[in-house]
Formats: sequence, structure tokens, C-alpha cells
Amino acid sequence: EDKVVQSPLSLVVHEGDTVTLNCSYEVTNFRSLLWYKQEKKAPTFLFMLTSSGIEKKSGRLSSILDKKELFSILNITATQTGDSAIYLCASPGATSGTYKYIFGTGTRLKVLA
Amino acid sequence: NAGVMQNPRHLVRRRGQEARLRCSPMKGHSHVYWYRQLPEEGLKFMVYLQKENIIDESGMPKERFSAEFPKEGPSILRIQQVVRGDSAAYFCASSPIGIGGGGTDTQYFGPGTRLTVL
Repeated sequence: EDKVVQSPLSLVVHEGDTVTLNCSYEVTNFRSLLWYKQEKKAPTFLFMLTSSGIEKKSGRLSSILDKKELFSILNITATQTGDSAIYLCASPGATSGTYKYIFGTGTRLKVLA
Repeated sequence: NAGVMQNPRHLVRRRGQEARLRCSPMKGHSHVYWYRQLPEEGLKFMVYLQKENIIDESGMPKERFSAEFPKEGPSILRIQQVVRGDSAAYFCASSPIGIGGGGTDTQYFGPGTRLTVL
């Protein structure tokens, strides 16, 4: 059965710290891995990764995929209180013709002032 | 460009009543996905629809739950005879047509409907 596992489940840091969030996956016919940030409402898209070793970057956030070891990391540097959220990792399911996401349980990040 | 819209944002129902959740995809998107998020859990896929077609409903409970995406109007997720265990946040996502006519890997989420069953 396809699965996506995130760690840690929760994390508390202080402003200015750097954090690394982990996502490992077992997905048949893997196509892509996506990261979302969920605050109190809609998950908002951060990155989609399809190729190993190519870092995607957006401001203080960056992410990379390792297709050999089947994992991805999301880095946040110089954290701010506004980064407090649940970070979700997902991969589309393997069944041909369907694009359902398989989500991890998320990492709950809290950044203290 | 309005994003994915869901209504109502909050819905309270008593056990045995029906719940109807609506989702209007982003403009130009013809693929809709419904997910359920139970407290302290990740999002779980329920159903994937294109206009007038259910493509994959493998995550939908066999009884009491149904979904549609008519030619005109929003997608509807219907839960009949709700029970307390149905209390959750229900998220809708949409995507445009991808290569080959299916969806794309990037999905855009609505704000969710929080259903509370008393």
C-alpha cells in the first residue's frame, strides 16, 4: 500500500532558527512529491518535486528530493512566527488515471518569538 | 482570479440529518477532488471527479456518502444520516486538465467546510 510518512510530528523552535522537515514515501510508479503549508484554512501549495537532487527555492524555504532513498526535506531558514503552521507532504497515488494525493500526517511547526 | 470556493465554511447538523457541502473549482479547472481531515490526522482522499463523471471514489465510504460534479454548478458532497464520526474538515481541491486529459499533479485547495455533528 502506498504511504507517505512525515517527521517529526511536531516541532517548537525560536525565531531565527533553521528547521528541516522530513518526508519519506513508498509510492508505486512515483511521479511527484508536493509540499503544502496549512494554517487555519486551505493548504497552500509550496513546491512540487519530480527530479532528484534539484533544489526548489522560494525565499527562506527550500526543498529537495532524493528518489534513490525515497525522501524529501523541506528547509526553512531564519524562521519567523508566521511560519507556524502544519506542513504537509503528499504524493499522487499510483493508480493509472487517478490523481488522488496520499498525504502524510503533517509536521506541526510552532515558532516562538 | 478567485481560488477554490467552498460553502458553507461551517456546518452543524444533528445526528440523522443530511449534510451538503459545495465546492466551486478555480476558473478553468475541470477536475475536483474531495479530502477529509479528521482531528489530529492528515488529509485522506475521498473522491475524484471530472464534469459529470466520477473517476475514482475509492476513498469514499460505501454508504451514506455521495458526490457529484454536474455540467453546470458546483461539485456537491452529500452525507446522509450523519453520525458523530462524520465530524471533520472536508476539503475540496481542483486542478486543470493535464497532459493526456487527466488532472495535473498540482492541486489547489479550498478553505474547507468544518462539519460538526451534534
